[in-house]
Amino acid sequence: QVQLVESGGGVVQPGASLRLSCAASGLTFGSYGMSWVRQAPGKGLEWVSLMSYDGSDKYYADSVKGRFTISRDNPKNTLYLQMDSLRGEDTAIYYCASAGTNYATSSFDYWGQGTLVTVSS
Amino acid sequence: SYELTQPLSVSVALGQTARIPCGGNNIGTKNVHWYQQKPGQAPVLVIYRDINRPSGIPGRFSGSNSGITATLTISRAQAGDEADYYCQVWDSNIWVFGGGTKLTV
Repeated sequence: QVQLVESGGGVVQPGASLRLSCAASGLTFGSYGMSWVRQAPGKGLEWVSLMSYDGSDKYYADSVKGRFTISRDNPKNTLYLQMDSLRGEDTAIYYCASAGTNYATSSFDYWGQGTLVTVSS
Repeated sequence: SYELTQPLSVSVALGQTARIPCGGNNIGTKNVHWYQQKPGQAPVLVIYRDINRPSGIPGRFSGSNSGITATLTISRAQAGDEADYYCQVWDSNIWVFGGGTKLTV
């Protein structure tokens, strides 16, 4: 079965950096767009970033544009999120999720269990 | 930017039908997906492209989408259906979630 396992979360101070990873198994990773979605404590889901199956396209929410960088290593079946200049409002559980190749019609079919990022002084 | 509007909460009696609306400008022209999230768990896809159920999702879950409102319908509601439900669409390379609806059974 499909498994997405996030790692790399933790407690950091404002302005610090953190790199999240998402290890995928049970799916043809290189055929899927992959996304990061976050959820602040007690709040709803917020889309953060998406990368196309081959890495040629990247998209970001305005709230993280210029600070976060999405990347992937298809041979390693791994998705990454480099988070720089972290702010308190970035505190959230970060989920990775698989997407299709047709963005207009594709849903987030599979989700990891999430990794918690806490930004606090 | 595109916005999706959901009620904060919906209540349904055990065994009855729950309907969770998701409003958006001309949402009927978009593909709407629905996710269920139980406390402490990751979201799970329950309806994709308006009306389709992934394998493993009970037939009690159905969806519709027309005009300015998409609706998730849960028939014969069970205690285990208590959760937060989120609608989601794609709009100009932005993936948008509704604010979520807490379903109480």
